[in-house]
Amino acid sequence: GAVVSQHPSWVICKSGTSVKIECRSLDFQATTMFWYRQFPKQSLMLMATSNEGSKATYEQGVEKDKFLINHASLTLSTLTVTSAHPEDSSFYICSAYTGASNQPQHFGDGTRLSIL
Amino acid sequence: RKEVEQDPGPFNVPEGATVAFNCTYSNSASQSFFWYRQDCRKEPKLLMSVYSSGNEDGRFTAQLNRASQYISLLIRDSKLSDSATYLCVVAGGGADGLTFGKGTHLIIQP
Repeated sequence: GAVVSQHPSWVICKSGTSVKIECRSLDFQATTMFWYRQFPKQSLMLMATSNEGSKATYEQGVEKDKFLINHASLTLSTLTVTSAHPEDSSFYICSAYTGASNQPQHFGDGTRLSIL
Repeated sequence: RKEVEQDPGPFNVPEGATVAFNCTYSNSASQSFFWYRQDCRKEPKLLMSVYSSGNEDGRFTAQLNRASQYISLLIRDSKLSDSATYLCVVAGGGADGLTFGKGTHLIIQP
Protein backbone atom coordinates (compact mmCIF):
# COMPACT_ATOMS: atom_id res chain seq x y z
CA GLY A 1 0.00 0.00 0.00
CA ALA A 2 0.87 3.66 -0.24
CA VAL A 3 3.43 4.72 2.37
CA VAL A 4 4.23 8.22 3.53
CA SER A 5 7.35 8.79 5.58
CA GLN A 6 7.65 11.83 7.80
CA HIS A 7 10.86 12.87 9.53
CA PRO A 8 11.75 13.70 12.23
CA SER A 9 9.14 12.17 14.51
CA TRP A 10 10.11 14.23 17.54
CA VAL A 11 11.90 17.56 17.86
CA ILE A 12 12.76 19.55 20.96
CA CYS A 13 14.59 22.81 20.42
CA LYS A 14 15.10 26.30 21.76
CA SER A 15 12.94 29.28 20.92
CA GLY A 16 14.17 31.05 17.80
CA THR A 17 15.35 27.89 16.06
CA SER A 18 14.09 27.00 12.60
CA VAL A 19 12.90 23.43 12.19
CA LYS A 20 12.50 21.53 8.93
CA ILE A 21 10.10 18.60 8.61
CA GLU A 22 10.23 16.27 5.61
CA CYS A 23 7.37 14.35 4.09
CA ARG A 24 8.09 11.68 1.51
CA SER A 25 5.81 9.43 -0.50
CA LEU A 26 7.81 6.22 -0.73
CA ASP A 27 6.05 4.15 -3.35
CA PHE A 28 3.91 6.59 -5.29
CA GLN A 29 4.08 10.05 -6.78
CA ALA A 30 2.11 12.71 -5.02
CA THR A 31 1.33 15.83 -6.97
CA THR A 32 -0.46 17.17 -3.92
CA MET A 33 0.62 17.00 -0.31
CA PHE A 34 -1.04 18.56 2.69
CA TRP A 35 0.24 19.84 6.00
CA TYR A 36 -1.91 19.66 9.11
CA ARG A 37 -1.42 20.74 12.68
CA GLN A 38 -3.05 19.34 15.79
CA PHE A 39 -2.95 21.01 19.20
CA PRO A 40 -3.77 18.91 22.27
CA LYS A 41 -7.41 17.86 22.42
CA GLN A 42 -8.11 19.70 19.19
CA SER A 43 -8.93 18.49 15.72
CA LEU A 44 -6.41 18.33 12.94
CA MET A 45 -6.39 21.62 11.09
CA LEU A 46 -5.27 21.99 7.52
CA MET A 47 -2.43 24.47 7.31
CA ALA A 48 -1.57 24.41 3.63
CA THR A 49 -1.85 22.51 0.38
CA SER A 50 1.39 21.85 -1.39
CA ASN A 51 1.49 21.23 -5.13
CA GLU A 52 4.64 20.01 -6.83
CA GLY A 53 6.41 22.79 -8.66
CA SER A 54 4.18 25.61 -7.50
CA LYS A 55 3.64 27.77 -4.46
CA ALA A 56 1.72 26.32 -1.56
CA THR A 57 -1.80 27.48 -0.79
CA TYR A 58 -2.17 28.48 2.83
CA GLU A 59 -5.33 28.36 4.90
CA GLN A 60 -6.62 31.52 6.47
CA GLY A 61 -4.69 32.45 9.56
CA VAL A 62 -1.56 30.48 8.66
CA GLU A 63 1.47 32.70 8.12
CA LYS A 64 3.24 31.73 4.92
CA ASP A 65 6.45 33.47 6.00
CA LYS A 66 6.41 31.53 9.24
CA PHE A 67 5.67 28.14 7.75
CA LEU A 68 7.72 27.73 4.59
CA ILE A 69 6.63 24.89 2.34
CA ASN A 70 8.64 23.50 -0.53
CA HIS A 71 7.41 20.74 -2.85
CA ALA A 72 10.32 20.37 -5.20
CA SER A 73 9.61 16.85 -6.40
CA LEU A 74 6.69 14.46 -6.74
CA THR A 75 7.81 12.53 -3.68
CA LEU A 76 9.02 15.19 -1.26
CA SER A 77 7.48 18.16 0.51
CA THR A 78 9.12 20.04 3.35
CA LEU A 79 7.70 22.30 6.02
CA THR A 80 10.07 24.70 7.75
CA VAL A 81 8.90 26.38 10.92
CA THR A 82 11.00 29.53 10.98
CA SER A 83 12.09 31.15 14.24
CA ALA A 84 9.91 28.79 16.21
CA HIS A 85 8.36 29.89 19.48
CA PRO A 86 6.64 27.91 22.25
CA GLU A 87 3.21 28.61 20.76
CA ASP A 88 4.34 26.72 17.65
CA SER A 89 4.65 23.55 19.72
CA SER A 90 2.23 21.09 18.20
CA PHE A 91 1.80 17.83 16.32
CA TYR A 92 2.45 18.39 12.62
CA ILE A 93 1.25 15.78 10.13
CA CYS A 94 1.65 15.61 6.41
CA SER A 95 -0.44 13.65 3.99
CA ALA A 96 -0.18 12.82 0.34
CA TYR A 97 -2.94 12.43 -2.18
CA THR A 98 -2.62 9.27 -4.25
CA GLY A 99 -5.12 10.17 -6.90
CA ALA A 100 -7.47 7.30 -5.93
CA SER A 101 -10.92 8.59 -5.02
CA ASN A 102 -11.56 5.85 -2.48
CA GLN A 103 -8.32 6.48 -0.60
CA PRO A 104 -8.22 10.20 -0.08
CA GLN A 105 -4.92 10.73 1.59
CA HIS A 106 -2.18 8.75 3.27
CA PHE A 107 -0.72 10.28 6.37
CA GLY A 108 2.82 10.38 7.64
CA ASP A 109 3.52 9.38 11.22
CA GLY A 110 3.58 13.00 12.36
CA THR A 111 6.18 15.20 14.00
CA ARG A 112 5.85 16.24 17.60
CA LEU A 113 7.46 19.65 17.91
CA SER A 114 8.28 21.08 21.31
CA ILE A 115 9.79 24.55 21.54
CA LEU A 116 11.34 25.44 24.86
CA ARG B 1 -20.89 27.18 13.58
CA LYS B 2 -18.09 24.65 13.34
CA GLU B 3 -17.57 23.01 9.97
CA VAL B 4 -17.66 19.47 11.33
CA GLU B 5 -19.21 18.76 14.69
CA GLN B 6 -18.98 15.61 16.75
CA ASP B 7 -19.86 14.65 20.30
CA PRO B 8 -16.42 14.46 21.94
CA GLY B 9 -17.48 11.79 24.43
CA PRO B 10 -15.89 9.89 25.99
CA PHE B 11 -18.14 6.97 25.26
CA ASN B 12 -17.53 4.19 27.75
CA VAL B 13 -19.10 0.96 26.54
CA PRO B 14 -18.65 -2.68 27.55
CA GLU B 15 -16.93 -5.10 25.23
CA GLY B 16 -19.40 -6.66 22.83
CA ALA B 17 -21.78 -3.71 22.85
CA THR B 18 -22.96 -1.76 19.84
CA VAL B 19 -22.06 1.91 19.73
CA ALA B 20 -23.02 4.67 17.34
CA PHE B 21 -21.39 8.02 16.61
CA ASN B 22 -22.91 10.96 14.83
CA CYS B 23 -21.44 13.88 13.00
CA THR B 24 -22.85 16.95 11.26
CA TYR B 25 -21.17 19.14 8.70
CA SER B 26 -21.98 22.69 7.63
CA ASN B 27 -20.67 22.87 4.06
CA SER B 28 -23.41 21.61 1.77
CA ALA B 29 -20.91 21.55 -1.11
CA SER B 30 -18.86 18.80 0.55
CA GLN B 31 -18.37 15.87 -1.76
CA SER B 32 -16.42 13.25 0.12
CA PHE B 33 -16.94 11.84 3.59
CA PHE B 34 -14.82 9.58 5.73
CA TRP B 35 -14.34 8.15 9.16
CA TYR B 36 -10.77 8.08 10.42
CA ARG B 37 -9.44 6.46 13.55
CA GLN B 38 -6.71 8.08 15.59
CA ASP B 39 -4.91 6.36 18.43
CA CYS B 40 -3.25 8.44 21.10
CA ARG B 41 -0.25 10.38 19.74
CA LYS B 42 -0.51 8.67 16.36
CA GLU B 43 -1.43 9.75 12.89
CA PRO B 44 -5.05 9.29 11.74
CA LYS B 45 -5.81 6.19 9.73
CA LEU B 46 -8.67 5.82 7.29
CA LEU B 47 -11.37 3.57 8.67
CA MET B 48 -13.86 3.82 5.86
CA SER B 49 -15.36 6.09 3.27
CA VAL B 50 -19.01 7.05 3.62
CA TYR B 51 -21.50 6.89 0.78
CA SER B 52 -25.10 8.01 0.44
CA SER B 53 -26.18 4.42 -0.07
CA GLY B 54 -24.54 3.43 3.18
CA ASN B 55 -21.68 1.02 3.41
CA GLU B 56 -20.53 -1.76 5.66
CA ASP B 57 -17.11 -3.16 6.42
CA GLY B 58 -17.23 -6.05 8.84
CA ARG B 59 -18.46 -4.75 12.18
CA PHE B 60 -18.52 -1.15 10.96
CA THR B 61 -21.40 0.52 9.16
CA ALA B 62 -21.35 4.10 7.93
CA GLN B 63 -24.22 6.18 6.59
CA LEU B 64 -24.57 9.59 5.02
CA ASN B 65 -27.66 11.77 4.91
CA ARG B 66 -26.91 14.64 2.53
CA ALA B 67 -30.23 16.36 3.14
CA SER B 68 -29.57 16.60 6.85
CA GLN B 69 -25.80 16.91 6.40
CA TYR B 70 -25.36 14.12 8.85
CA ILE B 71 -22.94 11.18 8.98
CA SER B 72 -23.02 8.19 11.28
CA LEU B 73 -20.77 5.31 12.25
CA LEU B 74 -22.03 2.13 13.90
CA ILE B 75 -19.70 -0.37 15.53
CA ARG B 76 -21.13 -3.76 16.38
CA ASP B 77 -19.69 -6.35 18.76
CA SER B 78 -17.11 -3.84 19.98
CA LYS B 79 -13.61 -5.06 20.82
CA LEU B 80 -11.09 -3.69 23.28
CA SER B 81 -8.94 -2.76 20.30
CA ASP B 82 -11.68 -0.44 19.06
CA SER B 83 -10.75 2.02 21.81
CA ALA B 84 -9.57 5.14 19.99
CA THR B 85 -10.70 8.55 18.83
CA TYR B 86 -12.95 8.45 15.77
CA LEU B 87 -12.70 11.44 13.47
CA CYS B 88 -15.46 12.52 11.13
CA VAL B 89 -13.90 13.99 8.00
CA VAL B 90 -15.32 15.81 4.99
CA ALA B 91 -13.72 17.12 1.85
CA GLY B 92 -14.71 19.01 -1.26
CA GLY B 93 -13.17 16.55 -3.66
CA GLY B 94 -10.35 14.06 -4.22
CA ALA B 95 -7.43 16.50 -4.08
CA ASP B 96 -8.88 18.85 -1.49
CA GLY B 97 -7.59 19.22 2.01
CA LEU B 98 -9.63 17.35 4.58
CA THR B 99 -11.72 19.02 7.28
CA PHE B 100 -11.66 17.07 10.51
CA GLY B 101 -14.06 17.02 13.39
CA LYS B 102 -12.55 17.11 16.87
CA GLY B 103 -13.19 13.43 17.23
CA THR B 104 -15.23 11.19 19.49
CA HIS B 105 -13.27 9.32 22.13
CA LEU B 106 -14.35 5.71 22.55
CA ILE B 107 -13.31 3.51 25.46
CA ILE B 108 -14.23 -0.16 25.35
CA GLN B 109 -14.24 -1.70 28.78
CA PRO B 110 -13.62 -5.41 29.47
